[in-house]
Amino acid sequence: KQEVTQIPAALSVPEGENLVLNCSFTDSAIYNLQWFRQDPGKGLTSLLLIQSSQREQTSGRLNASLDKSSGRSTLYIAASQPGDSATYLCAVYRGSTLGRLYFGRGTQLTVWP
Amino acid sequence: EAQVTQNPRYLITVTGKKLTVTCSQNMNHEYMSWYRQDPGLGLRQIYYSMNVEVTDKGDVPEGYKVSRKEKRNFPLILESPSPNQTSLYFCASSLSWEGNTIYFGEGSWLTVV
Repeated sequence: KQEVTQIPAALSVPEGENLVLNCSFTDSAIYNLQWFRQDPGKGLTSLLLIQSSQREQTSGRLNASLDKSSGRSTLYIAASQPGDSATYLCAVYRGSTLGRLYFGRGTQLTVWP
Repeated sequence: EAQVTQNPRYLITVTGKKLTVTCSQNMNHEYMSWYRQDPGLGLRQIYYSMNVEVTDKGDVPEGYKVSRKEKRNFPLILESPSPNQTSLYFCASSLSWEGNTIYFGEGSWLTVV
């Protein structure tokens, strides 16, 4: 069974810092990995999708990398802002079981002014 | 506007009273799935559907039923709800099972007393 771990569980930083959120998974036979943002009491919003053949994806101040062989992904947030405060989750499609999606428990990020 | 719509958003019900949480998407997506989110356990997949009339179990299917008679709808049925099914439920969809961007509904808060 696929296990997805996110470290740290919580992070509190001042505005302007560059951040790295980590996601690791136990089964490297993944189809792709996706990073989401969740605001309190809300649904999840997809931020970046990395296919298994890709090494990274970028969107604005966000950059996500994927190293399948080591079972790791990182989400890099540049020049953090208070509006970035949310919970960030990663999820992997397990390659060997079509349609199964596994989530980490998330990193709760607080960016203070 | 592309969206996944869940109803009801909030519900308090009693043990044993059958209920249905509806989910509808307007993006002609093939893949739809249901998740529950619990503190300390994160998001767990309940059921998923890769296309009409094709459904399969996720991590925690016990106590739930689903059906996919039309492409746009994927209702979650609790035949005899119990207090341990008190949770925040999310419906999601994507173009296909192959890991396109996933779109989530706003969530349904369900309390079983």
